[in-house]
Amino acid sequence: GENVEQHPSTLSVQEGDSAVIKCTYSDSASNYFPWYKQELGKRPQLIIDIRSNVGEKKDQRIAVTLNKTAKHFSLHITETQPEDSAVYFCAARGGGSYIPTFGRGTSLIVHP
Amino acid sequence: DAGVIQSPRHEVTEMGQEVTLRCKPISGHNSLFWYRQTMMRGLELLIYFNNNVPIDDSGMPEDRFSAKMPNASFSTLKIQPSEPRDSAVYFCASIPAQGNYGYTFGSGTRLTVV
Repeated sequence: GENVEQHPSTLSVQEGDSAVIKCTYSDSASNYFPWYKQELGKRPQLIIDIRSNVGEKKDQRIAVTLNKTAKHFSLHITETQPEDSAVYFCAARGGGSYIPTFGRGTSLIVHP
Repeated sequence: DAGVIQSPRHEVTEMGQEVTLRCKPISGHNSLFWYRQTMMRGLELLIYFNNNVPIDDSGMPEDRFSAKMPNASFSTLKIQPSEPRDSAVYFCASIPAQGNYGYTFGSGTRLTVV
């Protein structure tokens, strides 16, 4: 089955800096890669996703890149703000299943 | 759209008692998922339904756990008897159909078994 590794587990940045979270996956047939943000005590919420026919996708201050050859994808947050503080989960959906496999999460802390 | 609705938001129960968690998916979403989240194990898929039919329950930890989806707008997750190690946040999620969609999660039920 699919295996998703996510790094780092904790990321601390100063307000205004950029933050990058990286994930690798094992199933070369995976074709859908969503990212979720979970604030403390709240539900995970989809913030951006990318499909395997696209190398990069942007939405305001967040962007996701995908390298299918290397089987890794990354979340980039620019001009971080304290409200970006949360746990971020990556996920990959394998070609043989429509159930995504989640990474273990990255706790992002943005210091004002 | 009210989103995925879960109840109760919090549940505290004594070991050995039966616990029932409820979920109402988004109207028109025909796939529903139950997840458990703990610090130690992260997000674990317990079971999912497609068109009200259980497709894969291999994530259900023990026979103490059972789930039903009697119709397209309602699902339950039952734990009987409950144990302290069942303490976790249980999320329900739904998607429109099988395919490349992100989940819409409910607000979760925080279960504490004492």
